[in-house]
Amino acid sequence: DGGITQSPKYLFRKEGQNVTLSCEQNLNHDAMYWYRQDPGQGLRLIYYSQIVNDFQKGDIAEGYSVSREKKESFPLTVTSAQKNPTAFYLCASSIISGDYGYTFGSGTRLTVV
Amino acid sequence: GEDVEQSLFLSVREGDSSVINCTYTDSSSTYLYWYKQEPGAGLQLLTYIFSNMDMKQDQRLTVLLNKKDKHLSLRIADTQTGDSAIYFCAEEGAGTALIFGKGTTLSVSS
Repeated sequence: DGGITQSPKYLFRKEGQNVTLSCEQNLNHDAMYWYRQDPGQGLRLIYYSQIVNDFQKGDIAEGYSVSREKKESFPLTVTSAQKNPTAFYLCASSIISGDYGYTFGSGTRLTVV
Repeated sequence: GEDVEQSLFLSVREGDSSVINCTYTDSSSTYLYWYKQEPGAGLQLLTYIFSNMDMKQDQRLTVLLNKKDKHLSLRIADTQTGDSAIYFCAEEGAGTALIFGKGTTLSVSS
């Protein structure tokens, strides 16, 4: 079955360390997205990519980096420059025309101690 | 700027109808979306409406769109305890990115 997989589900890191969150999809979707969710804040867009080797910053890109070397994969690196990285991170994918309702992964909860 | 507004909480009794409201800002959105999130999970697309429609019905779900007032609503008929979740509306932003509201937590009591 096609879907989108985020790993790991829970991640703990020490302050000052970079950490990479994985997102893989086998839906043949062109576009992929990273959102951050904090309690009471809804979803805020970090980065998105509509095509391989190209991506755009979202509203809160500072302290994060991404790559899109393959259509299926869109990893997110949370760098030590991100001041408050503890959050729930959601990856999604979509087609890029018509009703591009997203398919979401199940999320990664990152806790920085 | 672009912003999607929703009330944060709604509490209903099992069997009642639930109505979740949303206001959006981008009148050029071709589609508007409703998503559901259960605890600790990702979001699931519930339904969407094309911007030239006023209403869309899908089993227990009814979406109403008032383009003049930029108001979107989701009605859930015969609400069940399994409908307890956070509901997000979303409009189209730059490129194919969606802009989400903060979410409405629906609590259903038996």
